Amino acid sequence: EAQVTQNPRYLITVTGKKLTVTCSQNMNHEYMSWYRQDPGLGLRQIYYSMNVEVTDKGDVPEGYKVSRKEKRNFPLILESPSPNQTSLYFCASSPGADTQYFGPGTRLTVL
Amino acid sequence: AQSVAQPEDQVNVAEGNPLTVKCTYSVSGNPYLFWYVQYPNRGLQFLLKYITGDNLVKGSYGFEAEFNKSQTSFHLKKPSALVSDSALYFCAVRDMYSGGGADGLTFGKGTHLIIQP
Repeated sequence: EAQVTQNPRYLITVTGKKLTVTCSQNMNHEYMSWYRQDPGLGLRQIYYSMNVEVTDKGDVPEGYKVSRKEKRNFPLILESPSPNQTSLYFCASSPGADTQYFGPGTRLTVL
Repeated sequence: AQSVAQPEDQVNVAEGNPLTVKCTYSVSGNPYLFWYVQYPNRGLQFLLKYITGDNLVKGSYGFEAEFNKSQTSFHLKKPSALVSDSALYFCAVRDMYSGGGADGLTFGKGTHLIIQP
């Protein structure tokens, strides 16, 4: 089944404790993105990647890192999480300038 | 800069009635336009898109949308609403000339659609 998977689905952590949210797609898509969803703000892009080893900042990249060492994986790294990063995070992939396929989401709470 | 406006936070419709969820956009070039739906505790699912061609686009679950270039709108419609259509709907736009696929997609803030039995 074609899909985007994210892990973990739920995470509660404390300020400053490094964490990684994994994202994997099995559709051989070149393009992958990370978004955060906050009430009243819709989805905002954090980072995107157009191919292996090619990443760039989206609209709200501060406090986040990404890497794209393999085509299928695009992990999101929070080196020192803060409470304002409490949010719902989505990973997405797409074959090009077209429809994006979204993962199920990761709900992160930073205390 | 491109932008998307969904002017209604919530739309209430009785089951069986037609529904419209509004979306207007702003891009410097020609737009790619999308509608996505999000059910509770789920990721976003693609509904339909406009790239080029016929202004009336048909998508999943009986939804359709009409691209209106002069009004810069892309309203989502359905002739007869179902209770199961209740969800959060997002409009998104990308400038056709903004480059690769993942960058440059701007989402609206979302509209809660509530279908009352």
